[in-house]
Amino acid sequence: NAGVTQTPKFQVLKTGQSMTLQCAQDMNHEYMSWYRQDPGMGLRLIHYSVGAGITDQGEVPNGYNVSRSTTEDFPLRLLSAAPSQTSVYFCASSADSLYQPQHFGDGTRLSIL
Amino acid sequence: GQQLNQSPQSMFIQEGEDVSMNCTSSSIFNTWLWYKQDPGEGPVLLIALYKAGELTSNGRLTAQFGITRKDSFLNISASIPSDVGIYFCAGPFYGGATNKLIFGTGTLLAVQP
Repeated sequence: NAGVTQTPKFQVLKTGQSMTLQCAQDMNHEYMSWYRQDPGMGLRLIHYSVGAGITDQGEVPNGYNVSRSTTEDFPLRLLSAAPSQTSVYFCASSADSLYQPQHFGDGTRLSIL
Repeated sequence: GQQLNQSPQSMFIQEGEDVSMNCTSSSIFNTWLWYKQDPGEGPVLLIALYKAGELTSNGRLTAQFGITRKDSFLNISASIPSDVGIYFCAGPFYGGATNKLIFGTGTLLAVQP
């Protein structure tokens, strides 16, 4: 049971670099989301998707892009990395809706120097 | 914006002690979710509550949906070292263009063997 798989687990970038965080789920879930976790701030929604071809912004979308070409994959792109984007990023999926229990990946720990 | 306040922020207890934590909202919720995050992993759903006054158990964990619908409580009985982690509450927020889950800031639990 793979569930939600995120790669890489760790990444260090320099300011201005771009990169893509990968997320894949094998549960055939329609709903997928990206969150960032910062100390003392819980989990905040970056972008989400309600199905293949449909994406929308969450609470903190600036500096990030997403696409959903298949049901399984939901990559998150950092366009030009900034130190403020140093965080732990979690991908999640759910079958029923965006606000029902989510299945989370193990996270990507990203540091921007 | 909408916030969930969790308390306490952290707890340092001895193995065998009981633990209580709570989560409060400024608005009414119709669902309360409790997650646990082990070090280096993603959050995992512990208990879901869907009805005011509901009391649900999962092993040594018991959660309650507050009667006012603005709060929820999580209790852990006879704590063990593997209970260490961060406990998050979450609930659906219906507002603006995005209906989404919002998360509390978490309660860090440390258990001394």
